[in-house]
Amino acid sequence: DQQVKQNSPSLSVQEGRISILNCDYTNSMFDYFLWYKKYPAEGPTFLISISSIKDKNEDGRFTVFLNKSAKHLSLHIVPSQPGDSAVYFCATPSGGSNYKLTFGKGTLLTVNP
Amino acid sequence: EAQVTQNPRYLITVTGKKLTVTCSQNMNHEYMSWYRQDPGLGLRQIYYSMNVEVTDKGDVPEGYKVSRKEKRNFPLILESPSPNQTSLYFCASSLLPSGQNTGELFFGEGSRLTVL
Repeated sequence: DQQVKQNSPSLSVQEGRISILNCDYTNSMFDYFLWYKKYPAEGPTFLISISSIKDKNEDGRFTVFLNKSAKHLSLHIVPSQPGDSAVYFCATPSGGSNYKLTFGKGTLLTVNP
Repeated sequence: EAQVTQNPRYLITVTGKKLTVTCSQNMNHEYMSWYRQDPGLGLRQIYYSMNVEVTDKGDVPEGYKVSRKEKRNFPLILESPSPNQTSLYFCASSLLPSGQNTGELFFGEGSRLTVL
C-alpha cells in the first residue's frame, strides 16, 4: 500500500504562472516531509522540506504547505520557469526508526515558454 | 567537490552473472542507501546503512546484497541478476538519518542496469 501518493503523473504550466504539485500521505504519524527534484540523467536533488510543527515553509520561489488534518502537502512554484521542468518527488521518513525514506511516484512538471 | 560516485553508470549483463555496483561518498556521511527507480513506481528503497557494519532492508531487498566495511563505500551486489532487476539505481548518503534535522539525501547520478 502506498504511504505517499502523488496522484498527478504530469503537470503542464505556462512560464510565469504558478505550479502546484500535490502529495497525500496515509499515516498521521509522519512528521517530516521533503521534496526532491530530478532532471533526466541526473540523481534527485533536495529542494525543500517541512516539519509537522509548521504549516508552511518558503525558500525563494518554492513554498511547501502542509495540511495535517487532510494529510496533504503541496509544493508551489511561483513564478514557474522553463528550468523548473523536471520530475518532483515528495518523500517522508517511514518505519519506526525513521531510517527509511519513502518516496511518492513523482510528478513530471513541464513549464512551457 | 562533495559528491556521491557510482560505477558503472551503464551496464548490460546476462541473467545469473554476478555484478557489483559501487558507491562512494566523500562527505564523511554516516547514512547511505540504495534506491531503484522504475517507470510508474517512483523511487523504492533497497537497502540502507546507518554506519559501518550496520545495514538493514528497505522496501525491495529481494535479490540484492550490500556491505558497509568502510564509511565511504556502500556497494550493491546482485548475486544472480534477473531481468526484473533491470532498472535505474541510485545511491544516496546523508550526514544524519532521514527524519533528523534536514534529512537531506545526496544522490549519485545513477546506474542504468539492463539484465538480458
